Amino acid sequence: EAGVVQSPRYKIIEKKQPVAFWCNPISGHNTLYWYRQNLGQGPELLIRYENEEAVDDSQLPKDRFSAERLKGVDSTLKIQPAELGDSAVYLCASSLDPGRSDTQYFGPGTRLTVL
Amino acid sequence: AQSVTQLDSQVPVFEEAPVELRCNYSSSVSVYLFWYVQYPNQGLQLLLKYLSGSTLVKGINGFEAEFNKSQTSFHLRKPSVHISDTAEYFCAVSAVYNTDKLIFGTGTRLQVFP
Repeated sequence: EAGVVQSPRYKIIEKKQPVAFWCNPISGHNTLYWYRQNLGQGPELLIRYENEEAVDDSQLPKDRFSAERLKGVDSTLKIQPAELGDSAVYLCASSLDPGRSDTQYFGPGTRLTVL
Repeated sequence: AQSVTQLDSQVPVFEEAPVELRCNYSSSVSVYLFWYVQYPNQGLQLLLKYLSGSTLVKGINGFEAEFNKSQTSFHLRKPSVHISDTAEYFCAVSAVYNTDKLIFGTGTRLQVFP
């Protein structure tokens, strides 16, 4: 069974540039998560989807971050414009169904460096 | 709200020695508890989780953890570590009424020396 796929694995951009990350969850997983992991810290939830609906985006900086999950499968997270403080690893995770404490499966992440 | 404290940022240990990674949590409601491991350049992988029942939970790779409600702790242990256990370990908590929202600690770097 394929795991959570993320691309790109690494991205280096200059500040004020836009950037996008892509995630394909495990087949059949209805819940999808985007996390940000700063250096030396644990992951922090940015947004959670149940199918195509964003059910928790309270930690997403909406002035510059946006996300979508069309058709309830893969998802894209965008930053526009990027700032120096956005340098981090962006992790995508998926789980089977919401509300059942199902295991969250994580992808390898995208390491973003903003210069 | 929930929070997690991992007191040790780094734990050095020799191969075949026992190890304990400490985790304390804070919550005003009942919680579920998790331990994840992150190998270099990889995503997080679930080691074990406590939902209910026996307070001693066994996970993959020979790890186990014990839930102690009175001390609000969920320490991770392994009786004999291998070089391959070198990784970052994260403790996480979720409220039982919001199981999809994981709150992670800052992580403990386990370094196993030969």
